[in-house]
Amino acid sequence: QKEVEQDPGPLSVPEGAIVSLNCTYSNSAFQYFMWYRQYSRKGPELLMYTYSSGNKEDGRFTAQVDKSSKYISLFIRDSQPSDSATYLCAMTIAFGNEKLTFGTGTRLTIIP
Amino acid sequence: KAGVTQTPRYLIKTRGQQVTLSCSPISGHRSVSWYQQTPGQGLQFLFEYFSETQRNKGNFPGRFSGRQFSNSRSEMNVSTLELGDSALYLCASSSTGLGETQYFGPGTRLLVL
Repeated sequence: QKEVEQDPGPLSVPEGAIVSLNCTYSNSAFQYFMWYRQYSRKGPELLMYTYSSGNKEDGRFTAQVDKSSKYISLFIRDSQPSDSATYLCAMTIAFGNEKLTFGTGTRLTIIP
Repeated sequence: KAGVTQTPRYLIKTRGQQVTLSCSPISGHRSVSWYQQTPGQGLQFLFEYFSETQRNKGNFPGRFSGRQFSNSRSEMNVSTLELGDSALYLCASSSTGLGETQYFGPGTRLLVL
């Protein structure tokens, strides 16, 4: 079983909808949680970065971490066609450890 | 500031050959990490270099190796290529590597025939 599980999708939603993307993990040592967005033929770019449990909001994006359930989420409000991409969750144990463990990614399409 | 650059962008090799991929980090960044991305396994960590020293290593066979130069540029080498090595190889750089944001390059797409 993989340390990080992520539904690969694909997920298609109409423009303006709220999108919910999720990952579960098994290693309770993970402390830092990230969401990356990857457009076709591009490298991943960091969207959100959270430490431990709680919520973090940045514009239309909200990241949630529930360490008790080993579950993290990314919500996208007022989704736009430009949000169409693959979304990857990633996590690591601590500062100083650059070994990020990624989910396999969810391919999202926003339909105009 | 220029981003992370990787060369070449595309590469076709045959089984048994070896390949060297190059990564130039963002100016001033000293940490370079390498990842392999495949449809089935997603992104998997290969190794990380900081100040010319390998600091972290993933669970890949010894055929995968890397190095970092004094200007922080990094290369990774795969010897005795196998079909399963076909993947997108991504490098990421950060300034100190101490949990700071990693910036990814566009990747090198390797196809092994």
